[in-house]
Amino acid sequence: DTAVSQTPKYLVTQMGNDKSIKCEQNLGHDTMYWYKQDSKKFLKIMFSYNNKELIINETVPNRFSPKSPDKAHLNLHINSLELGDSAVYFCASSQLGYGYTFGSGTRLTVV
Amino acid sequence: SQQGEEDPQALSIQEGENATMNCSYKTSINNLQWYRQNSGRGLVHLILIRSNEREKHSGRLRVTLDTSKKSSSLLITASRAADTASYFCATPYSGGGADGLTFGKGTHLIIQP
Repeated sequence: DTAVSQTPKYLVTQMGNDKSIKCEQNLGHDTMYWYKQDSKKFLKIMFSYNNKELIINETVPNRFSPKSPDKAHLNLHINSLELGDSAVYFCASSQLGYGYTFGSGTRLTVV
Repeated sequence: SQQGEEDPQALSIQEGENATMNCSYKTSINNLQWYRQNSGRGLVHLILIRSNEREKHSGRLRVTLDTSKKSSSLLITASRAADTASYFCATPYSGGGADGLTFGKGTHLIIQP
């Protein structure tokens, strides 16, 4: 019973490609997020979705776009991948006032 | 923008000893959270402490919050090898919105057997 599941776990792709990472939560949480963790383990929020409405959009390139078909899903689509996009991307969900539940991460390597 | 800063960046202790990590933040908060990340894994929520609380316990974990000093500490008592991980404090996103979090850079804890 995985609470927050994201796929794929590993993604190796060439520069310039377009790729998507999928995320699903079965907790009934209202808000979902995407975080990027760099090689120094620093976590930076990228997007937050609440009831299909974008409420936080950190200064990320517009090559990154979140897509939420419903409350339980928040996918991350990345266009024209660059070397600097290599990182671990985490999906998370939460209910207001409580801790987050994170997925296990997607390690993206752009070559 | 980054809000919390953990101290120390790395800590190595013997199994059975207590481990203390500190977190400082910059702006007013309504809660502060601690997370653990094992190598190659996602983050796991440990404790949430609200601004009107000074101390909170969960098993071998004790968290304190001093809003006047804008600081928090995480104490792990009787450490075990399985406690080896990175520990992050997180505070509500200063940019507003709902309940986004910003994370510090973490404390890497190593428990020597």
